[in-house]
Amino acid sequence: EAQVTQNPRYLITVTGKKLTVTCSQNMNHEYMSWYRQDPGLGLRQIYYSMNVEVTDKGDVPEGYKVSRKEKRNFPLILESPSPNQTSLYFCASSRDFRVGETQYFGPGTRLLVL
Amino acid sequence: TQLLEQSPQFLSIQEGENLTVYCNSSSVFSSLQWYRQEPGEGPVLLVTVVTGGEVKKLKRLTFQFGDARKDSSLHITAAQPGDTGLYLCAGDSNYQLIWGAGTKLIIKP
Repeated sequence: EAQVTQNPRYLITVTGKKLTVTCSQNMNHEYMSWYRQDPGLGLRQIYYSMNVEVTDKGDVPEGYKVSRKEKRNFPLILESPSPNQTSLYFCASSRDFRVGETQYFGPGTRLLVL
Repeated sequence: TQLLEQSPQFLSIQEGENLTVYCNSSSVFSSLQWYRQEPGEGPVLLVTVVTGGEVKKLKRLTFQFGDARKDSSLHITAAQPGDTGLYLCAGDSNYQLIWGAGTKLIIKP
């Protein structure tokens, strides 16, 4: 089954404790991205990747890191989480970034930083 | 900064009524997509419109892209409880999708 998987689905952590949220897709997609979703603000892109070893900042990259060493995986790293990073995070992938390409989303990771 | 404004933010109506959700911007987009998101899940694509003035129908849902490709609307005819969800529009621009904040739709039986 074609899908985007994220782990963990739920995470409670404390300020400053490094964490990684994994994302994997099995569709051989070139384009992957991370979003955060907050009430009233919609989806905001954190980072995106056009292909292996090619990443770029989205609208809200501060406090986050990513890597794209393999085509299928695109982990999101919070080196020193803070309470303002409490949010719902989504990983998404698409075949590439031509006009109108469908974004396939993972199920989301709900993060609470205390 | 490009923005997509969706209205209304929240809509609660009775089953069988019609409704329209709007997505507006001052920017031109190459294409515009509509997604639906249910609680606990990621957004799922409903439709993509590419050409100015384009109209697409998906059963009881009608999507329209403005002539100038700056705005779009979603019209639902005879809404049903199964239409309940968060509707999001997204315009593509320069390798990013610009997202609206969403319209939370509740259809009461």
